[in-house]
Amino acid sequence: GAVVSQHPSRVICKSGTSVKIECRSLDFQATTMFWYRQFPKQSLMLMATSNEGSKATYEQGVEKDKFLINHASLTLSTLTVTSAHPEDSSFYICSASRLARTGELFFGEGSRLTVL
Amino acid sequence: QQQVKQSPQSLIVQKGGISIINCAYENTAFDYFPWYQQFPGKGPALLIAIRPDVSEKKEGRFTISFNKSAKQFSLHIMDSQPGDSATYFCAASTSGYALNFGKGTSLLVTP
Repeated sequence: GAVVSQHPSRVICKSGTSVKIECRSLDFQATTMFWYRQFPKQSLMLMATSNEGSKATYEQGVEKDKFLINHASLTLSTLTVTSAHPEDSSFYICSASRLARTGELFFGEGSRLTVL
Repeated sequence: QQQVKQSPQSLIVQKGGISIINCAYENTAFDYFPWYQQFPGKGPALLIAIRPDVSEKKEGRFTISFNKSAKQFSLHIMDSQPGDSATYFCAASTSGYALNFGKGTSLLVTP
């Protein structure tokens, strides 16, 4: 299957700092990537849809100034958590669609963010 | 608003038994229905998926049954093994758009 790589897999930071998470599609081009957030023992909640070369579309309730998404190329999307606080601690997972409009999504391994 | 409802929340099955997880949806525009398996600390992995033009799809021990009129679909894991113990998520989407996930089912297969 298609491979989606996320980095870092784990990050611990102090409150008030910013953290960047990278999501790469390794063997295919992804015009659209999706960012999800998952709290322990809960489902994946869509945060935003990232489109290459344009602004991300954020879901209701997600602060776009706090969660900055950049989709600079067809293989890379980044999520930056700005001025992180303990309540931002979560598991962040990106996904990418291999073929346009087929719906099949491949997920990265996720990034565990812990804000102290 | 949960667009995909999944049940049960947790499931315990003996080794060799059949695990059955059910999902229901309301949005008739959905045309893609995947199941994902997730182990702790890992991202979800695509198990099997179905589109509304078929009523059943089988891949190895995993089978999706799809009932378009009832707007329901289910995952059957035959000959369940301890290694199948994981959280399973059903999802639905309109092709090209983000997946809407169910709340997940924690499956435990006992030896």
